[in-house]
Amino acid sequence: DTGVSQNPRHKITKRGQNVTFRCDPISEHNRLYWYRQTLGQGPEFLTYFQNEAQLEKSRLLSDRFSAERPKGSFSTLEIQRTEQGDSAMYLCASSKEGYPDTQYFGPGTRLTVL
Amino acid sequence: AQKITQTQPGMFVQEKEAVTLDCTYDTSDQSYGLFWYKQPSSGEMIFLIYQGSYDEQNATEGRYSLNFQKARKSANLVISASQLGDSAMYFCAMREADNAGNMLTFGGGTRLMVKP
Repeated sequence: DTGVSQNPRHKITKRGQNVTFRCDPISEHNRLYWYRQTLGQGPEFLTYFQNEAQLEKSRLLSDRFSAERPKGSFSTLEIQRTEQGDSAMYLCASSKEGYPDTQYFGPGTRLTVL
Repeated sequence: AQKITQTQPGMFVQEKEAVTLDCTYDTSDQSYGLFWYKQPSSGEMIFLIYQGSYDEQNATEGRYSLNFQKARKSANLVISASQLGDSAMYFCAMREADNAGNMLTFGGGTRLMVKP
């Protein structure tokens, strides 16, 4: 089994630019999650997909953020008009529905907004 | 109130000794799951161990064990025979059953440093 993969691993952008991150989950996992982690903190939940349906979004996910999982496989997270406060590690996780539904994480995408 | 509290920002342990990382949680759900993850400096969150709220026995996975005390709402991670490669951030997390997003709520983490 290959693990969760994320691309790019690092992204440096200027304030106001749009960025898009990709997550490929473990192949048989139907659930996919995005989290954001700032320096010195634990990850915070952003959004959750079951298959292709986005079932939950955190209030942290402002209008500038959008996530998709069009065919129930890979997912993208787009941030429009980036702000310096968006600088963080963006983590993707996937799980297989059923007990214990353990979430396995990818290596993350580190975003730096200048 | 914090749902997950990790009171030890940093800890040192001598190589080959055992160490306990503390985690307390707050929930009104009867059904929940508790997880521990390791995050090395590379950034990836590595799953270590899981304990379900209805599990009567403490979970164990190799050198990792979870000291689950339900009445005290604590789920401490015990690492036996510490190795240099255990140096990392450790996060405790909870998933509550009454949780539409199936989300994990994480504590602030404990940085473990293993001394040779």
